[in-house]
Amino acid sequence: DAGVTQSPTHLIKTRGQQVTLRCSPKSGHDTVSWYQQALGQGPQFIFQYYEEEERQRGNFPDRFSGHQFPNYSSELNVNALLLGDSALYLCASSFTGTSVYSGANVLTFGAGSRLTVL
Amino acid sequence: GNSVTQMEGPVTLSEEAFLTINCTYTATGYPSLFWYVQYPGEGLQLLLKATKADDKGSNKGFEATYRKETTSFHLEKGSVQVSDSAVYFCALKGTGFQKLVFGTGTRLLVSP
Repeated sequence: DAGVTQSPTHLIKTRGQQVTLRCSPKSGHDTVSWYQQALGQGPQFIFQYYEEEERQRGNFPDRFSGHQFPNYSSELNVNALLLGDSALYLCASSFTGTSVYSGANVLTFGAGSRLTVL
Repeated sequence: GNSVTQMEGPVTLSEEAFLTINCTYTATGYPSLFWYVQYPGEGLQLLLKATKADDKGSNKGFEATYRKETTSFHLEKGSVQVSDSAVYFCALKGTGFQKLVFGTGTRLLVSP
């Protein structure tokens, strides 16, 4: 059973450019969350997608946007890259289904996409 | 808002030593608590979890007990191995469709 897969694994961009990162959730999962992990820090929540809509968003500017497709896969887009956007971007999937209560639902993380902005 | 505080690292131990990594939290309601581990160059792996007060999560010799009275979820292992060297993250998740909130991580270095 494949877990969460992310692509690309590494990429280098220059300031002002745009980047798209991709994520395929674990089989059976319908919810995708994105996190940014700066060097030496804990992951910070960017946003979460469920049923192709952004369900919750963290404290990130509008330069960060996302999308979820009917097959539950997701993309993270970052426009007008800044040096401070250099980080490991982690995708995590989980199952929501029809249950309103998802407090204990476990997130499965991918290995991440490491973005370097020069 | 919800937050997690972890002890700063690195924690340096010899093989077979006892490990404790402290974690305290601030949250409204009844959050679920987690420990994740990150090996070099990899993503996060769930180590253990607890969903209500007094629950004990355990996995691979690691344990943590959800203490609501002290708002703590300390990670322990009786005898560490070199292969346990990694960064450990404490995290909490509130009820409903809420995000995971992570601590800053604690690096563990185990020498032979």
